[in-house]
Amino acid sequence: QVQLVQSGAEVKKPGASVKVSCKASGYTFTSYGISWVRQAPGQGLEWMGWISAYNGNTNYAQKLQGRVTMTTDTSTSTAYMELRSLRSDDTAVYYCARERVVRSEEFDYWGQGTLVTVSS
Amino acid sequence: DIQMTQSPSSLSASVGDRVTITCRASQSISSYLNWYQQKPGKAPKLLIYAASSLQSGVPSRFSGSGSGTDFTLTISSLQPEDFATYYCQQSYSTPPTFGPGTKVDIK
Repeated sequence: QVQLVQSGAEVKKPGASVKVSCKASGYTFTSYGISWVRQAPGQGLEWMGWISAYNGNTNYAQKLQGRVTMTTDTSTSTAYMELRSLRSDDTAVYYCARERVVRSEEFDYWGQGTLVTVSS
Repeated sequence: DIQMTQSPSSLSASVGDRVTITCRASQSISSYLNWYQQKPGKAPKLLIYAASSLQSGVPSRFSGSGSGTDFTLTISSLQPEDFATYYCQQSYSTPPTFGPGTKVDIK
């Protein structure tokens, strides 16, 4: 069965960086893209960007351009999201999500979420 | 970016009730509309894609309709496990955007 398993919770200081991993199993990793979606406490869902696991192409949300980098390691079927220059308003649960079909932006499988807390 | 709105923002209902949630897009998105269910502390779950297609494994009491700018999610007979927050999301153009959510709780 398809599973996306994310790394554990992180606590970071303002200005630091965080890198969250998302290990996929149960399907051919390179056949689907992965998006990252975050949710601030008590708030809605915000799309952060997408990466093709096939060729590494990326597309980032404009507001995060320059601060976010998404990568994949096809040898371990793992996707990564790094966010730099963290601010308090980056405190959120970060999810990876698989697209249902290529570039559909319909998200059929999600990781369990990783809480990133930014606090001095 | 395409803005998504939902109504109501919350509702109280009883087991067995028929529940309808509305989602509106700021411009036409054809049928590129998806619905998700999220329970506290859990990841969202895809219920409906392409406005009316039921995701595999989702109970048939869930249905979706609409096209253009106006869409609805209907739960035909609310079950105890359906108390959750529901989000619509457009996949017509990048960036994909979500509605603010509708919380369904117990009356």
